[in-house]
Amino acid sequence: EIVMTQSPATLSVSPGERATVSCRASQSVSSDLAWYQQKPGQAPRLLIYGASTRVTGIPARFSGSGSGTEFTLTISSLQSEDFAVYYCQQYNNWPPLTFGGGTKVEIK
Amino acid sequence: QLQLQESGPGLVKPSETLSLTCTVSGGSISSSGYYWGWIRQPPGKGLESIGTIYYSGSTYYNPSLETRVTISVDTSKKQFSLKLSSVTAADTAVYYCARLQYSDYVFDCWGQGTPVTVSS
Repeated sequence: EIVMTQSPATLSVSPGERATVSCRASQSVSSDLAWYQQKPGQAPRLLIYGASTRVTGIPARFSGSGSGTEFTLTISSLQSEDFAVYYCQQYNNWPPLTFGGGTKVEIK
Repeated sequence: QLQLQESGPGLVKPSETLSLTCTVSGGSISSSGYYWGWIRQPPGKGLESIGTIYYSGSTYYNPSLETRVTISVDTSKKQFSLKLSSVTAADTAVYYCARLQYSDYVFDCWGQGTPVTVSS
């Protein structure tokens, strides 16, 4: 099983600032990496797949990068609606599809 | 617009079987481009994939749950179902059903989730 590790667990950011979330895979997953956003009481929402391809309708302030074992989700200028928990998910080698433990982006 | 809706008991006794159904509306469950899956989230914790099924009935289970899980599909009813046997308190979670893309294996549409508590 590929283990996904996210850091930090919590990120405190002021509105308008940049947020960077990291995700590391226990072995190479190539570019088979997705990012999800989850708000309290809601289901996760797919943001990015293929490490860097935004889903239609996702704002350009969200960007993904990386390949192999190291990945980054960047939110260039945080808006109020962006405060949420973010998860990475690998799909290079499954089952099982595995998720990172999540990063909570909170208001500083 | 595709919608998924989970249904089933919110309370299950220890050692019994958890049974949930996901109903798909606004789209076809028999599309060749998608799998259908179950994911769960224990209170205050992260996401765990349980398993997926293709409309033909092919299944892929999380090895950590494989001995207790059965996922089935009924295309005539546009439903797929989850059965998890011998449940314990550790199976208490919000259970989500979701659509998994066949090309990139990502969950692109989710149900709202249904909470299930295992308790006597």
